Amino acid sequence: QKEVEQDPGPLSVPEGAIVSLNCTYSNSAFQYFMWYRQYSRKGPELLMYTYSSGNKEDGRFTAQVDKSSKYISLFIRDSQPSDSATYLCAMSANSGGSNYKLTFGKGTLLTVNP
Amino acid sequence: EPEVTQTPSHQVTQMGQEVILRCVPISNHLYFYWYRQILGQKVEFLVSFYNNEISEKSEIFDDQFSVERPDGSNFTLKIRSTKLEDSAMYFCASSRDGSYNEQFFGPGTRLTVL
Repeated sequence: QKEVEQDPGPLSVPEGAIVSLNCTYSNSAFQYFMWYRQYSRKGPELLMYTYSSGNKEDGRFTAQVDKSSKYISLFIRDSQPSDSATYLCAMSANSGGSNYKLTFGKGTLLTVNP
Repeated sequence: EPEVTQTPSHQVTQMGQEVILRCVPISNHLYFYWYRQILGQKVEFLVSFYNNEISEKSEIFDDQFSVERPDGSNFTLKIRSTKLEDSAMYFCASSRDGSYNEQFFGPGTRLTVL
């Protein structure tokens, strides 16, 4: 079983739709969960960061973590064409030292159509 | 807003040649990372660096790779003898400290090995 699984899509939605992006993971040591947005041939841009379980909201974006199910989600409300990008989930464990490597999902390619 | 910068944006080299990829992390960050992304694949962790030494490295980071922080601002990745399979995007990232693991990525260097 892969450590982090993410449906690569592609996902195509009309402008204004609610988008749901998801990842599952197998490593129960993961405690830090992030969502990055990556435009074509650019670096990942940090969108949301959550620690442990729960929800976090930032504008049109909501991140959810369910550690019992090993499942994380990113919701985008009122999606815009400028949201078109690849969305990467990433996570790391607290190893008690300075080792905080991120383990990424493969990314979901999202297109928001005007 | 502070950001991670990387140079060059694109590096073309012949197989067997040495390359050095350069990064300037965000100035008050203490943890530094290199990741790579082969075209169409996941972003993969290579190495983390803290307090002037390697904290953790992946299986990919073999003896052909080395990292250095030669001064107070630069962070470099050297590949001694490049192989065709080293062709990828290489991303530098930095984070402020170990309590929060928000890693900020640079725009990447595209390495092409011929």
